[in-house]
Amino acid sequence: AQRVTQPEKLLSVFKGAPVELKCNYSYSGSPELFWYVQYSRQRLQLLLRHISRESIKGFTADLNKGETSFHLKKPFAQEEDSAMYYCALGAGSYQLTFGKGTKLSVIP
Amino acid sequence: NAGVTQTPKFQVLKTGQSMTLQCAQDMNHEYMSWYRQDPGMGLRLIHYSVGAGITDQGEVPNGYNVSRSTTEDFPLRLLSAAPSQTSVYFCASSYQMAPYEQYFGPGTRLTVT
Repeated sequence: AQRVTQPEKLLSVFKGAPVELKCNYSYSGSPELFWYVQYSRQRLQLLLRHISRESIKGFTADLNKGETSFHLKKPFAQEEDSAMYYCALGAGSYQLTFGKGTKLSVIP
Repeated sequence: NAGVTQTPKFQVLKTGQSMTLQCAQDMNHEYMSWYRQDPGMGLRLIHYSVGAGITDQGEVPNGYNVSRSTTEDFPLRLLSAAPSQTSVYFCASSYQMAPYEQYFGPGTRLTVT
């Protein structure tokens, strides 16, 4: 069975500091990995997908199959980045498996 | 486009009562799903549907029922509410070609006393 682990429930960083939100997964096949974000009083929305290798709002994430990780990174945190971040795994059968989430708090 | 809509936004039920959470989407998405969000647990899949007339169970289906008679609507029924079903419920939809790129509704906050 697939599993997604986000080891940090809460991550606090100062504005301008680098951010790394950790995500590890367990799946025997070829995974599709995503980061979803939920800002205060807003809907959960897709932030990044590993297949597009894009940078959104300054965030990037690289799939490391050897370490089964998909960490989310940003070089300089902004106050508007404060939100709940979920790593998610698509592993066939149309089902997304979410991690438990990490709350990012950017301190001014 | 309204996207994914959910009603009601808030609901309080007594133990044993039944109710239906409504979900609709106007994007002609084939795939729809229901999640519950609990503190410290993330989002867990309750039921999902890959098209009208087709539904399947997710990770936590017990106590919930779904049907999909149209592409647009995917209601979630609580058969006999229990305090353990106190949660925030999210509906999501996506295209079959990109099933994991899901669009979420605003959520329904349900309290069972």
